Amino acid sequence: QVQLVESGGDVVQPGKSLRLSCVASGFTFSSFTIHWARQAPGKGLQWVAVISSDGSYKYYTESVKGRFTVSRDNSINTVFLEMNNVRPEDTALYYCAKGGMIPQDAWHDRWGQGTLVAVSS
Amino acid sequence: DILLTQSPALVSVSPGEKVTLSCRASQRVSNNVAWYHQKPGQSPRLLVYGASTRASGIPRRFSGTGSGTEFTLTISSLESEDFGVYFCQQYNDWVSVTFGGGTTVDFK
Repeated sequence: QVQLVESGGDVVQPGKSLRLSCVASGFTFSSFTIHWARQAPGKGLQWVAVISSDGSYKYYTESVKGRFTVSRDNSINTVFLEMNNVRPEDTALYYCAKGGMIPQDAWHDRWGQGTLVAVSS
Repeated sequence: DILLTQSPALVSVSPGEKVTLSCRASQRVSNNVAWYHQKPGQSPRLLVYGASTRASGIPRRFSGTGSGTEFTLTISSLESEDFGVYFCQQYNDWVSVTFGGGTTVDFK
């Protein structure tokens, strides 16, 4: 069955860095886009970033551009989210989610359980 | 970014009742809308994509309609496991996907 497992969440000070990982299984990982979304405590969902199946294109929500970088290693079925210069407003549960085979099919048909990032001094 | 406005913010219903949730987009998004259900402490679950196509394993009581800027998710007969928060999502602008603020469905 399709499974996505996030890890790497932690308590981090403002201005520091953190790397999240998402390990996938149960589908042909190298054929699908992967998205990152986040949910602040008690709030709604915010899309964060997407990476294409081969890693050739990456897009980000405006508030993380220049600070976050998404990448993937198809040899180990893993997507990463490198978070630099984190801010208190980045505090959230971060989910990775499976997208479609083509970029326009950007609904998320499977989600991981999330990993918690707390930015605090 | 395309803004999605969901209404109502909260609806209180009893099992067996019909529920209609709305999602309005700030600009036309064709039929590129998905709906998700999230229970407390769980990840979101895809219900509908393409505005009206049920995802795999989703019961027939869930139906989505709409195109352009107005979208609706209807639950024909609410069951106990359907309580929680429902989010719509637009992916017409797939390089800047956005979600609505959510509608909470709880017990009357």
